Amino acid sequence: GAVVSQHPSRVICKSGTSVKIECRSLDFQATTMFWYRQFPKQSLMLMATSNEGSKATYEQGVEKDKFLINHASLTLSTLTVTSAHPEDSSFYICSASWTGVGNTIYFGEGSWLTVV
Amino acid sequence: TQLLEQSPQFLSIQEGENLTVYCNSSSVFSSLQWYRQEPGEGPVLLVTVVTGGEVKKLKRLTFQFGDARKDSSLHITAAQTGDTGLYLCAGWPSYGKLTFGQGTILTVHP
Repeated sequence: GAVVSQHPSRVICKSGTSVKIECRSLDFQATTMFWYRQFPKQSLMLMATSNEGSKATYEQGVEKDKFLINHASLTLSTLTVTSAHPEDSSFYICSASWTGVGNTIYFGEGSWLTVV
Repeated sequence: TQLLEQSPQFLSIQEGENLTVYCNSSSVFSSLQWYRQEPGEGPVLLVTVVTGGEVKKLKRLTFQFGDARKDSSLHITAAQTGDTGLYLCAGWPSYGKLTFGQGTILTVHP
């Protein structure tokens, strides 16, 4: 089946620094990718929709200057958390939309971000 | 207002019991997916349903898509401890963007 890979799986950074998370679709082209944040024992919270070759669409309440999204190619989207603070610590997940039957969404493995 | 209502939110059962998780909406969905997620990992796709009235089986899991494509259910027969996890439904409403249910945390006790 379709595979989406996310890297790194775990990252620790200091407050005030920036960290980049990559999301790759490995065996299909994804014109649309999605970024989520997840808190323990909760469902996924959509942060933004990443569109190849254009600006990302952010959900209400998500700071676009803090969470920079770049979708430079049909197989790669990146999320950069800028000037990270401890409250940004979370599990971040990406997904890619496969425009086959059912427009199925495939998820990456997720990235644990810890800001110290 | 939650577009896709998933219930129950928490489910704790003994091994061998049956269970059903529901996703309901007042909106029509062009397709709906079910995922299972273990702690610290990304959700893994279980099934996609696209046709009203569709029933799909995956070993002990049975998925149904309502005739009107507004609701779906996941039934697990004879649950095992390995079924423990977070189950998510998600879908594309006919008019709107990708929507997730709130998730169901299933714990199966030995």
